[in-house]
Amino acid sequence: AQSVTQPDIHITVSEGASLELRCNYSYGATPYLFWYVQSPGQGLQLLLKYFSGDTLVQGIKGFEAEFKRSQSSFNLRKPSVHWSDAAEYFCAVGPLGGGGNKLTFGTGTQLKVEL
Amino acid sequence: DTAVSQTPKYLVTQMGNDKSIKCEQNLGHDTMYWYKQDSKKFLKIMFSYNNKELIINETVPNRFSPKSPDKAHLNLHINSLELGDSAVYFCASSRDATTGANVLTFGAGSRLTVL
Repeated sequence: AQSVTQPDIHITVSEGASLELRCNYSYGATPYLFWYVQSPGQGLQLLLKYFSGDTLVQGIKGFEAEFKRSQSSFNLRKPSVHWSDAAEYFCAVGPLGGGGNKLTFGTGTQLKVEL
Repeated sequence: DTAVSQTPKYLVTQMGNDKSIKCEQNLGHDTMYWYKQDSKKFLKIMFSYNNKELIINETVPNRFSPKSPDKAHLNLHINSLELGDSAVYFCASSRDATTGANVLTFGAGSRLTVL
């Protein structure tokens, strides 16, 4: 069964500092990979996705993520964090086949930004 | 115009009651989902419908009954509510369910509190 691990439950960074959120997955092949962000009281918004091709993908709000097959990782990065980035971040994997498009989410990383 | 809208946003009720949450999407998507987010922010799929047909039915108590009158609507009815049903329920939609390479668009969530 596919699984997603986000090792960091909480991360605190200073505004303007760089950010890296870790995500590791377990799957029989290279799955489809996603990062979603959830602001307080809001639904989830897609930040970026990886389906194939260039392993460095760009997303919204200045975020990027790099797929590393050898490490089964899809870490999210941002060079300079803004106070408005404080939110919960979820990594997710989607199955290669059809049958319902069942996304499996990690447990999330809560990001706090110090001013 | 909200892409995926859920009502109500908040629901507070007593144990044993029956309640419903409604969801509508105006994206023209074929597939809709219900996800449950527990108090630890863990997201788990409950149901998925593709063009009004149930395609994912996770291990969910049969007190939960989804209904999709058309492909733009997916409702969730819960009978005999229990304390453990307290959670945030997210509706989502995607273009189709043929592959995991589908982006889910989420609603803002419905927070259910059972007293």
